[in-house]
Amino acid sequence: GDSVTQMEGPVTLSEEACLTINCTYTATGYPSLFWYVQYPGEGLQLLLKATKADDKGSNKGFEATYRKETTSFHLEKGSVQVSDSAVYFCALSGGGSNYKLTFGKGTLLTVNP
Amino acid sequence: NAGVTQTPKFRILKIGQSMTLQCAQDMNHNYMYWYRQDPGMGLKLIYYSVGAGITDKGEVPNGYNVSRSTTEDFPLRLELAAPSQTSVYFCASSYFSPRAGNYEQYFGPGTRLTVT
Repeated sequence: GDSVTQMEGPVTLSEEACLTINCTYTATGYPSLFWYVQYPGEGLQLLLKATKADDKGSNKGFEATYRKETTSFHLEKGSVQVSDSAVYFCALSGGGSNYKLTFGKGTLLTVNP
Repeated sequence: NAGVTQTPKFRILKIGQSMTLQCAQDMNHNYMYWYRQDPGMGLKLIYYSVGAGITDKGEVPNGYNVSRSTTEDFPLRLELAAPSQTSVYFCASSYFSPRAGNYEQYFGPGTRLTVT
């Protein structure tokens, strides 16, 4: 079945540091890929997405590129802020079932001033 | 639009009690979902619905029931609460069409349930 593996946390960075959170996936067919963010005490919000190979999703300074050859969708940001502190989830939709989301376990990011 | 709303926000149940978690969306989405989130485990799909009157099991349906009598509402029922059902529950909705595929899922703020 479909699965998502993402980098174990927690990740602690200083403000303005570079961020990479690794995500790899296993799926049949051609999945869409997502990064969701969960701020403390809130539900999940879509951060960015990519629907086909080589697409780059971007939002709020975050980027991720859909790499079919390495089955990866790593999340990157060049300069993190304290307000980026949250849990980040990589997810896929498609492959064997194109309306269900399969989530990774989440990565807690803490950014210190 | 209010988006996806859930009630209650918090609840403590005793073992064996029953309760219903409410979920509503005002975006005219056809698909709705219930997830549970356990620490360090990501989100697991409990049940989902592809339209009014149609529901199906997800990965972890045991101990839960759902109904979908209207497009807007998708309540989740716990009949005999057990400590293993202590979790945070999220409802979500999305629009899906065979031609365009699935659009993003919108999540509610969650219900934190403790069973003691």
